[in-house]
Amino acid sequence: DVKVTQSSRYLVKRTGEKVFLECVQDMDHENMFWYRQDPGLGLRLIYFSYDVKMKEKGDIPEGYSVSREKKERFSLILESASTNQTSMYLCASSLLGLGNQPQHFGDGTRLSIL
Amino acid sequence: DAKTTQPPSMDCAEGRAANLPCNHSTISGNEYVYWYRQIHSQGPQYIIHGLKNNETNEMASLIITEDRKSSTLILPHATLRDTAVYYCIVLYSGGGADGLTFGKGTHLIIQP
Repeated sequence: DVKVTQSSRYLVKRTGEKVFLECVQDMDHENMFWYRQDPGLGLRLIYFSYDVKMKEKGDIPEGYSVSREKKERFSLILESASTNQTSMYLCASSLLGLGNQPQHFGDGTRLSIL
Repeated sequence: DAKTTQPPSMDCAEGRAANLPCNHSTISGNEYVYWYRQIHSQGPQYIIHGLKNNETNEMASLIITEDRKSSTLILPHATLRDTAVYYCIVLYSGGGADGLTFGKGTHLIIQP
């Protein structure tokens, strides 16, 4: 079974802090993704990566950056956290294929910015 | 621009088969039908996907009509743990990493 592990289930941080969310997958997947999920807005893609050190912006990259130094690990960074970044953050991974490879998700990190 | 249409909610008795419909009348020839579910406060879980043929795995079966304009996800023996929101989406089969977009899905409630 694919295992995608997010470092924290719940996290509380203060406005202006630099926040790191970590994600690790154990299936040697090339693609990794960061989403946020908000009531009424659904799932929105922040960034994705198809290889080590490669990254592509998703639909809402502003205020975020990412790092992929190793194939199994994809980090999301909130450079200076703001209250509008309070959300559920979801990491996913998939094989690099013809686009018909399913994404597998972690359990999410519920982040609150005070 | 919604590509799929699902009923907002459904009930099913525990132990019975749950049949969840999805309409995707504008699907193109190179788009797959995917099903995910999300149990409250957890991440989405991949269930199954297909292109033209019916598919079955350890979790569910996927029946796609011959014209590919609709599909049905079947959970053969529903349990209380199958209570979740089920999302049907269509995805292009070309290269690249597609971000997923879920619609409102179907809230399936399994009744004891």
